[in-house]
Amino acid sequence: DADVTQTPRNRITKTGKRIMLECSQTKGHDRMYWYRQDPGLGLQLIYYSFDVKDINKGEISDGYSVSRQAQAKFSLSLESAIPNQTALYFCATSNAASGSPEQFFGPGTRLTVL
Amino acid sequence: AQKITQTQPGMFVQEKEAVTLDCTYDTSDQSYGLFWYKQPSSGEMIFLIYQGSYDEQNATEGRYSLNFQKARKSANLVISASQLGDSAMYFCAMREGAQAGTALIFGKGTTLSVSS
Repeated sequence: DADVTQTPRNRITKTGKRIMLECSQTKGHDRMYWYRQDPGLGLQLIYYSFDVKDINKGEISDGYSVSRQAQAKFSLSLESAIPNQTALYFCATSNAASGSPEQFFGPGTRLTVL
Repeated sequence: AQKITQTQPGMFVQEKEAVTLDCTYDTSDQSYGLFWYKQPSSGEMIFLIYQGSYDEQNATEGRYSLNFQKARKSANLVISASQLGDSAMYFCAMREGAQAGTALIFGKGTTLSVSS
């Protein structure tokens, strides 16, 4: 089973709709991240969470909100989706306590806003 | 200013040849980390290699090595003996600061195409 899972994997929605992307991890990591990938722009950080009570905005947080329901779950919401939020969204995790630098990525959610 | 710069939008190489993917970075931190990730056409992000700013030796992982030149602020990825399966997008990324688990800053990526 995958260590970092994202649901849904693909989603098509309409402008103005509220949508939630979910991320779960079984790695026991304390830190979780949401990134967005647009063609030609690499990955950009939306939000990150160092633990359940510590949530921080990234470089492109406008139009998004997050919820860290538990150490293992980190959800990203688009309150009112717009077409330029069409992108590939990645959740990632890391473990600061281990000292390991690696971030582990989920498989991605491909979101299309019509 | 961009913190991570990958100047090669696309690179082409034949099987069994070596290829270097360029990455330069900009930070004022003394402690930082540099990463390379591979993204095949299926979309997942695969961690390849990591170099800490205080690591004295260049990192190596199998066919991957990181040519770290601190004074030039470059962290090029070298893939030896390219394989068809190496065809993918490659991202250079940086973690600023000493603490593991800080969010990453990504470059725009380089598309590598390996031909037979």
